[in-house]
Amino acid sequence: DSGVTQTPKHLITATGQRVTLRCSPRSGDLSVYWYQQSLDQGLQFLIQYYNGEERAKGNILERFSAQQFPDLHSELNLSSLELGDSALYFCASSSPGKTDGYTFGSGTRLTVV
Amino acid sequence: AQSVAQPEDQVNVAEGNPLTVKCTYSVSGNPYLFWYVQYPNRGLQFLLKYITGDNLVKGSYGFEAEFNKSQTSFHLKKPSALVSDSALYFCAVRVLYSSASKIIFGSGTRLSIRP
Repeated sequence: DSGVTQTPKHLITATGQRVTLRCSPRSGDLSVYWYQQSLDQGLQFLIQYYNGEERAKGNILERFSAQQFPDLHSELNLSSLELGDSALYFCASSSPGKTDGYTFGSGTRLTVV
Repeated sequence: AQSVAQPEDQVNVAEGNPLTVKCTYSVSGNPYLFWYVQYPNRGLQFLLKYITGDNLVKGSYGFEAEFNKSQTSFHLKKPSALVSDSALYFCAVRVLYSSASKIIFGSGTRLSIRP
C-alpha cells in the first residue's frame, strides 16, 4: 500500500456520460497530480493541485476538470465521455521540500463503451 | 524544452544476463532524476533517484542507475536479470517552474526477460 488511495478501481460507463474519480493523497502530502495512461502509451500529465489550488495544467481536455478539497483529497471529473477516454487514470502525491519523487496510487481503469 | 527520452520501446534480455534501460534528459539546472517500474494493472513504483553525490545510485530489487552529466544520461542497470523484472520502466525528471515543480516522464521501456 503506497498510501495514495484511488477509487473506484474499475469503472465502466457509456459514451456521453460523466464520471468522477477520487484520490486521497498520502498523509502529509499537499500536492496531487493526475495522469492519464492510455493503452501502450506513456503517462500524460493532466493537472496538479497544491493545497487546494491549481498549480499546473498539462494535456487536459476541456471536458475534464479537477479540484482539491480542504481535506486535500482530489476529484477528477470526466464528462461527455468518448471511447478514446478509456484509460488508466493515476493520481500521485508529494510534499514540498522533499526530494523524493511522487507516490502513486494504483489507478482507476476507465472503460467507455 | 525540458524533457526526458527513452529511446527503446522494448528491451529483451535472457535471464541471468546484465540489462540496461536507457534514458537521456534535457533540463536546466541540476536534475533530479528518477526511475519507476510499473507491473501489469498496477501503479508506478519508485525504484531509485539521483539528487546529488555519487553518480552510481542503488535502488530496489537490485537495480542501479548511473548518472552521467556530460552525456545527460541516467541509464538503469542490473547485473543479472530475473524473469520477474519483466515490466514497464519509466525514467523521469523533476523540473522546476514558478514556485513549484513537476515530474515529467519518458515514454517508457518495456523490459522482457526470457527464461
